[in-house]
Amino acid sequence: AQSVTQLGSHVSVSEGALVLLRCNYSSSVPPYLFWYVQYPNQGLQLLLKYTTGATLVKGINGFEAEFKKSETSFHLTKPSAHMSDAAEYFCAVSLDNKLIFGAGTRLAVHP
Amino acid sequence: DAGVIQSPRHEVTEMGQEVTLRCKPISGHDYLFWYRQTMMRGLELLIYFNNNVPIDDSGMPEDRFSAKMPNASFSTLKIQPSEPRDSAVYFCASSGFLAEAFFGQGTRLTVV
Repeated sequence: AQSVTQLGSHVSVSEGALVLLRCNYSSSVPPYLFWYVQYPNQGLQLLLKYTTGATLVKGINGFEAEFKKSETSFHLTKPSAHMSDAAEYFCAVSLDNKLIFGAGTRLAVHP
Repeated sequence: DAGVIQSPRHEVTEMGQEVTLRCKPISGHDYLFWYRQTMMRGLELLIYFNNNVPIDDSGMPEDRFSAKMPNASFSTLKIQPSEPRDSAVYFCASSGFLAEAFFGQGTRLTVV
């Protein structure tokens, strides 16, 4: 069975600091991996995705993630946090088009 | 395309009443998903369809919940009878084959 674990339900950073949101997955076959962002009272928006090919994936708003098969990880990073990055972030794994989400990480950005 | 459209955005109903949530997926998408989001349980996949056929409904909590997709442009999620513990935000999403899912704005359901 496939599953997703996000380490840390809440992460707090200062504006301008590095953002690191952790995601580990379990899957019996190479998965498709996604990061989504959810702003208050909104649906989920795709940040980036990994399917095949290059393991470092760049997304919108300066975010990127690296697929590490040996570590079964897909951590999300951004070099410099902005106040507008405050939101909830979800890692997801897809197998046979069934999309399973992690529990989410709420990112707070302080001035 | 206007994206995935859900209606209503908010629904307040009394316990025991029937509730119907509606979804119009993005044209051309073969897959449609219904999710429920709560503070306690996060995002749960309830059911998903491929080409209007239910593929996996293992996430549907109980028989009070049912979902249909009569055609490629419309799906419903029905709760009958509704209970306070059904209060949540319900999301519909659609995708193409092996592609990312696009989400609607959600329906916030409150059962009193």
